[in-house]
Amino acid sequence: AQSVTQLGSHVSVSEGALVLLRCNYSSSVPPYLFWYVQYPNQGLQLLLKYTSAATLVKGINGFEAEFKKSETSFHLTKPSAHMSDAAEYFCAVGNFGNEKLTFGTGTRLTIIP
Amino acid sequence: DSGVTQTPKHLITATGQRVTLRCSPRSGDLSVYWYQQSLDQGLQFLIQYYNGEERAKGNILERFSAQQFPDLHSELNLSSLELGDSALYFCASSPRGGTGELFFGEGSRLTVL
Repeated sequence: AQSVTQLGSHVSVSEGALVLLRCNYSSSVPPYLFWYVQYPNQGLQLLLKYTSAATLVKGINGFEAEFKKSETSFHLTKPSAHMSDAAEYFCAVGNFGNEKLTFGTGTRLTIIP
Repeated sequence: DSGVTQTPKHLITATGQRVTLRCSPRSGDLSVYWYQQSLDQGLQFLIQYYNGEERAKGNILERFSAQQFPDLHSELNLSSLELGDSALYFCASSPRGGTGELFFGEGSRLTVL
């Protein structure tokens, strides 16, 4: 069984400030972890993924995430927020041999000018 | 553009009716997944097909059915529609030998009146 918890359904940050979106997972086997972004009226787009290689994963648009097994976390960060980062972000968990991803409930990111 | 195509983009229908949503996966992808996204339930996995065969089933209602055809496109059939079926329905595909990442279409927005 696997599950994902995203802390904070809404996060607001100022333009230029650090973005931190929290994700904790539960998995009975070694997980694969993903962050997706959804812009208004669009589908989900893969930002980055962790699949048991390097624990610090870099993705598109300057985002990165760190896999911390001891904390069962996979938080998403970006050093400096841009207005274009405003979107909904989803954390998801899967594992080898189980292609179905389980998604968190999403975090809506608002950027304050 | 993810390479996954969904039609129609928008659909408005009445309670009790039946609709069919269509999905064409990325070229070369054998797996197709259907997800439902609603405000109260978040992103819910419905069903997965792999090369024409049902592979995994999630929270799919008995009123809903799906299939994947020899050309690998998939259809999701929703019948006896209720107001609560109003949602965004996403199709996704995944590459052979991949590490679980899904590529999503832009979704079909269903409104049941």
